[in-house]
Amino acid sequence: EPEVTQTPSHQVTQMGQEVILRCVPISNHLYFYWYRQILGQKVEFLVSFYNNEISEKSEIFDDQFSVERPDGSNFTLKIRSTKLEDSAMYFCASSQGWGANVLTFGAGSRLTVL
Amino acid sequence: DAKTTQPTSMDCAEGRAANLPCNHSTISGNEYVYWYRQIHSQGPQYIIHGLKNNETNEMASLIITEDRKSSTLILPHATLRDTAVYYCIVRVADTGNQFYFGTGTSLTVIP
Repeated sequence: EPEVTQTPSHQVTQMGQEVILRCVPISNHLYFYWYRQILGQKVEFLVSFYNNEISEKSEIFDDQFSVERPDGSNFTLKIRSTKLEDSAMYFCASSQGWGANVLTFGAGSRLTVL
Repeated sequence: DAKTTQPTSMDCAEGRAANLPCNHSTISGNEYVYWYRQIHSQGPQYIIHGLKNNETNEMASLIITEDRKSSTLILPHATLRDTAVYYCIVRVADTGNQFYFGTGTSLTVIP
């Protein structure tokens, strides 16, 4: 069964450092998403991406965050200068964009900011 | 914000059916009902979705009331591995709109 893959599974970084989280969406999917989940809290939407541009973003997705699809397969989330409160699980998801348009999520990348 | 209301937690005996309710009284005519679950801190896992008719797949059944204002997810024979947080989400299907995850129902399957 096709799956969304995310790397790294766990990253530890120092406050103020840049972090890039990587995702390989399902190959025939057109919409890509990043969500995050702070420990013990809800899964929160960050951003959606379609046709090489951001289609929707939440208030959380401020100037510290950026997304990119650098090639035909990867979808990345960059945090420019990490803060302690960025510590969370980050989930990538993708969807076809038609029909039932089910989002398929990856296993997540755990980011720990020290 | 989430457009659904779910009980905070439920218990179910192993081997019995787990019935998880969801209220979505403001659902629009073109919005589907989706169910996802999250086991520990894993990525949310799709279970089932429906528009008007009841649906069944290998994981679960979805019963949607005739007025579409509520639905029930049924896990027919719950196992310990079904212990998870279950999310009911309403959304227009064929757009890039995000899924809003509320707090869901924490289901504990008891041996």
